[in-house]
Formats: sequence, structure tokens, C-alpha cells
Amino acid sequence: GAVVSQHPSRVICKSGTSVKIECRSLDFQATTMFWYRQFPKKSLMLMATSNEGSKATYEQGVEKDKFLINHASLTLSTLTVTSAHPEDSSFYICSATPIQNTGELFFGEGSRLTVL
Amino acid sequence: QKEVEQNSGPLSVPEGAIASLNCTYSDRGSQSFFWYRQYSGKSPELIMFIYSNGDKEDGRFTAQLNKASQYVSLLIRDSQPSDSATYLCAVSTSGGSNYKLTFGKGTLLTVNP
Repeated sequence: GAVVSQHPSRVICKSGTSVKIECRSLDFQATTMFWYRQFPKKSLMLMATSNEGSKATYEQGVEKDKFLINHASLTLSTLTVTSAHPEDSSFYICSATPIQNTGELFFGEGSRLTVL
Repeated sequence: QKEVEQNSGPLSVPEGAIASLNCTYSDRGSQSFFWYRQYSGKSPELIMFIYSNGDKEDGRFTAQLNKASQYVSLLIRDSQPSDSATYLCAVSTSGGSNYKLTFGKGTLLTVNP
């Protein structure tokens, strides 16, 4: 199956700093990537839909100025958590659909963010 | 508001038994239905997807869809301890390349040796 890679897998930062998470589709091109957040024992909550070359579409309640998303190429999307606070500590997961539209959604390994 | 409901469990079955996982959804416009498996601390991995009413089988897994009842299920035959995980039901109302999924909270399955 197709591979989506996220980096870093774990990050610990101080409150007030910014953290960037990368999501790469390694063996396919993706026009659309999705960013999810998952709190412990909770389901995945869609944060935003990222389209290559255009602005991301954010879900209701997600602050676009706090969670900056850039989709600069067909294989890379980045999520930057700006001025992180402890309540931003979560498991962030990206996913991507191939440009060929195979009907499948491939997930990255996830990035666990801990804000001290 | 689109909702996907799952029994959170835990569902406990003995090794070799059939595990039955259920999911209901609120949006009648839903077109695509997915089952993901998620191990603790890991990201979800796709088990099966189903678009049409009826059954779809893949190895030990069978997905069942009933759009009239807005119900989708996953059966796991000959359950193995390695099947122990949280199973997430996901639903999409979009076609094309914009697969925006709504996830249920997941059902924790434990298969006892």
C-alpha cells in the first residue's frame, strides 16, 4: 500500500514555542491531505483539509492562526502549532488520498506532541 | 450534524470466536464506509471499505452495509490475539478526491488467548 510518513513522531516543547510537523506521501502524489487530532481514548477529529497550492479549509472551532497548514507540493504538507500550550498536547495524524483517486485514505504514523 | 456512533466496548471474545463490531451513522447522504484498526499509540490502518449494500469479504473480515438502516458492521472470524485493538468506523459523504471522513469513537476489542 501507499506510504505516508510523518516527522517527528514525538516532540516535546516548552509552552509558547512553535512546532512544525511534516507529512509526506513517499510513493504517490496527493492533491489533498487531511490533518487530524486525537486526544487519549477519543476518536480522530478532523482539523483541516489541505489542498496543494491553495489555502487549507479548517473545521469549525479550529483556529487557523494557531494551526498553520502549508501544502507546498503534491507530496508534502506541514502543520505548525504556533505558541503551543499544554492543552495542545495531542496525537496529530495526517492522511492523504492519491491523485489517482483510488478511494483509499492513507494515514501517517502520527506525531505525539507534548507541551510542557 | 453528522454523527457516527459505535459501542465503545470493551468487547471481549475468546480466540477463534467471531467478533462483531457495529456502527450507525446519521447522515443519509453518506456514500463510503470504512473500518480502520488502531493499535494503542499508533495511527489507524485501513481494514476494509464498502460502498454498496450487502456484504464484502476479505479474508477473515466481512463488512456489512445496510443503508436503509444506516448501519455498517465488521465481522472478524477466527479472532486472534493480534486482532486486539480499537476499531474505528468512518463515514464519508464526499466522492471524488476529497475523502473527508467522520470517525466514530471506536470499539476496543480484546481477544483472549
